[in-house]
Amino acid sequence: QVLLVQSGAEVKKPGSSVKVSCKSSGDTFSSYAITWVRQVPGQGLEWIGGVIPIFVTPHYAQKFQGRVTITADESTSTAYMELDSLKSDDTAVYYCARERSSFRLDYWGQGTPDTVSS
Amino acid sequence: NFMLAQPHSVSESPGKTVTISCTRSSGSIASTYVHWYQQRPGSAPTNVIYENDQRPSGVPDRFTGSIDSSSNSASLTISGLETEDEADYYCQSYDSSDQGVFGGGTKLTVL
Repeated sequence: QVLLVQSGAEVKKPGSSVKVSCKSSGDTFSSYAITWVRQVPGQGLEWIGGVIPIFVTPHYAQKFQGRVTITADESTSTAYMELDSLKSDDTAVYYCARERSSFRLDYWGQGTPDTVSS
Repeated sequence: NFMLAQPHSVSESPGKTVTISCTRSSGSIASTYVHWYQQRPGSAPTNVIYENDQRPSGVPDRFTGSIDSSSNSASLTISGLETEDEADYYCQSYDSSDQGVFGGGTKLTVL
């Protein structure tokens, strides 16, 4: 059984950065992409981007290009998503998910709430 | 890029059947796979249909997925509605730059 466990809730100031972790267990970490998705309170799901650990090079949604960095550490089976220059409308729950072929997200982390407020 | 349009909300009675649509704005619905997710309040999404019509293990066969090229849409049908089916449902596909695209979500109320 694949399990993705994310880091805890964050409260950040506008203009700062947040880094969320996602630790995988129960399967071969390197073989699949880890994708990040966010959900603004009361709204829908939004694709941020992802990385396949063995390929290293991440891919990002255009909206987040230049502001997000997604990395993966094979030695600890952990993926990271760092979002810079935070604004109040970045307040959201951030999810990691395992991405299978055809961009299917089959296992999800529990979510990390991030509040951006002065 | 394209968008996926879903009805904001649907409602139906227990035991009945409901269908949630997901209409692609441009390009063929059949050109990329569609997946569906269920999200109960306060929980992470879970995958209930993948690759248009495949059901993950553990998902009841009351959940079926399909695509219709004539309407350029995908559909999630839930039969024998149960109160536990009350949730938000999202369709998802991907674009030519290998980015996921989600529909806006549909709130299912089982009254």
